[in-house]
Amino acid sequence: KNEVEQSPQNLTAQEGEFITINCSYSVGISALHWLQQHPGGGIVSLFMLSSGKKKHGRLIATINIQEKHSSLHITASHPRDSAVYICAVAPNNAGNMLTFGGGTRLMVKP
Amino acid sequence: DSGVTQTPKHLITATGQRVTLRCSPRSGDLSVYWYQQSLDQGLQFLIQYYNGEERAKGNILERFSAQQFPDLHSELNLSSLELGDSALYFCASRKGLAEGYNEQFFGPGTRLTVL
Repeated sequence: KNEVEQSPQNLTAQEGEFITINCSYSVGISALHWLQQHPGGGIVSLFMLSSGKKKHGRLIATINIQEKHSSLHITASHPRDSAVYICAVAPNNAGNMLTFGGGTRLMVKP
Repeated sequence: DSGVTQTPKHLITATGQRVTLRCSPRSGDLSVYWYQQSLDQGLQFLIQYYNGEERAKGNILERFSAQQFPDLHSELNLSSLELGDSALYFCASRKGLAEGYNEQFFGPGTRLTVL
């Protein structure tokens, strides 16, 4: 079993829909990252969080440390949000080395 | 633009060859991480350097090695290349070492194709 599991693996939405991507992990962590990878391959860090909730524009990330679960929400989705979203955790005592989930491929149709 | 640069962007080579990938971290960042992203394995941590010293090792093959130079740029050397080494190689940088505190900034990646 992977240390980091994401669901769903693939997601297709209509423009304007509210989207949720889930991430569960099995180890103690010092931080969790949400990353976005566009078709060209480049990776952008969206959020790093260790508790609570963060918001940036239409993106919201939450984490529940006790339940070892995080969610990434996209409100009012747009075709430009189409990308692979990757959850990564920094296990405790691992020097911030990241362990990655398998990614969620999101396609938003106009 | 994350401020992390990687060269080359694309590299095509043959089995058995050796290549060097280069990464320049963001200004002021002392820590460099190397990651491999292949179709079957996803993203995997390879190795981390901090201020010139190796700090952590992940799933890095013995055929692969890395170093970080005094000017903080890093190189990842891949030798005796095999078809399965074809992948995207990313480096990322962050300021320090404190756990969970500094986010990592990713470079654009080097796409390696081994024929």
